[in-house]
Amino acid sequence: DAGVIQSPRHEVTEMGQEVTLRCKPISGHDYLFWYRQTMMRGLELLIYFNNNVPIDDSGMPEDRFSAKMPNASFSTLKIQPSEPRDSAVYFCASSLVPGLGYTFGSGTRLTVV
Amino acid sequence: EDQVTQSPEALRLQEGESSSLNCSYTVSGLRGLFWYRQDPGKGPEFLFTLYSAGEEKEKERLKATLTKKESFLHITAPKPEDSATYLCAVQATGSGGSNYKLTFGKGTLLTVNP
Repeated sequence: DAGVIQSPRHEVTEMGQEVTLRCKPISGHDYLFWYRQTMMRGLELLIYFNNNVPIDDSGMPEDRFSAKMPNASFSTLKIQPSEPRDSAVYFCASSLVPGLGYTFGSGTRLTVV
Repeated sequence: EDQVTQSPEALRLQEGESSSLNCSYTVSGLRGLFWYRQDPGKGPEFLFTLYSAGEEKEKERLKATLTKKESFLHITAPKPEDSATYLCAVQATGSGGSNYKLTFGKGTLLTVNP
């Protein structure tokens, strides 16, 4: 299996622009997680899905952030409008049995200037 | 609120010099404690899950242990390729067993010099 695939690997955008991050989970994994990593705050959960349904979105910072999972093999995290404080590495992870751990993707490094 | 504190923030060892990393946690009910390794520019890589106090797990030069308040990651005779950031995370029991969120510590940056 190719693992969890995220795109793009790097994104540089101007403040106010819309940004869309993409994730393809491991086939058969029913759980999908979006995390954000910064030096100050470490890894923080933004939202997670089970069987394409959002279960916990309490970590989504504000209405500028939205996430969707239209099918079992694809999820997006959208930021509109983007701000410099959104600069971070965004990770997607998937799991078959979350109690046994997740598999993370390589992340998308977002820079908002 | 679940909390995870890792110490030290950074650790520099000579090759072959054994040491331990600490992870202290506060959680209402522990479903599992997880250790991950993260290399620069990559996502965290799963190492271990521990579920109950007294449990131990080993993988090559790494051994993880768990008590009711903390976990240790022991590194025996480390090699330069063990250099990475080691992350600890907890998963709490949730209402209806539906809480699968991982709460992470900020990690320990381990550097092993040859």
